[in-house]
Amino acid sequence: EDQVTQSPEALRLQEGESSSLNCSYTVSGLRGLFWYRQDPGKGPEFLFTLYSAGEEKEKERLKATLTKKESFLHITAPKPEDSATYLCAVQDSGQGNLIFGKGTKLSVKP
Amino acid sequence: GAGVSQSPSNKVTEKGKDVELRCDPISGHTALYWYRQSLGQGLEFLIYFQGNSAPDKSGLPSDRFSAERTGGSVSTLTIQRTQQEDSAVYLCASSPPGTDTQYFGPGTRLTVL
Repeated sequence: EDQVTQSPEALRLQEGESSSLNCSYTVSGLRGLFWYRQDPGKGPEFLFTLYSAGEEKEKERLKATLTKKESFLHITAPKPEDSATYLCAVQDSGQGNLIFGKGTKLSVKP
Repeated sequence: GAGVSQSPSNKVTEKGKDVELRCDPISGHTALYWYRQSLGQGLEFLIYFQGNSAPDKSGLPSDRFSAERTGGSVSTLTIQRTQQEDSAVYLCASSPPGTDTQYFGPGTRLTVL
């Protein structure tokens, strides 16, 4: 059964304190791994898609990496506006839907 | 351009009533998805429409849930005889042709009293 596990559930950082969020997954055939950001009361906002092990993508202070079993979202020198819940999802080959983890709630204090 | 829109943004109903939730996908997007997000839970897939193909209904939790997509655009999710456990945020997403990236709407928060 396809499964996505995110850790930690919650992370508190000081502004400028870099860290990483983990997404471990089990899938029969990976079609894609997706990272989203979700602010309270809003729908998920697309960040990255990764397709194969070794792939990396960057956007501002965020960098996503992928191995055959997990993905990391690295946050460099975070700012308070980076506070949000970060969601990881996988798409199994032959499937259209995404399978989501429960997310990591990130709080960045000034 | 305009994103995915959903209406209503909030819906409060009484147990046993039927509700309809609406999703307007991004223009030109051929795939449309419904998910629900319960407190403390991850997003749960409900149903998926791709072009003119038969929808993938494998995520619908019971036969009280149904959805249709008219003219390849607007979709309506219907929940009959609502129960308290149906309370959740219902999210719609759409994808353009040739990509797997799903773009989400703001959701409809359903509360069943």
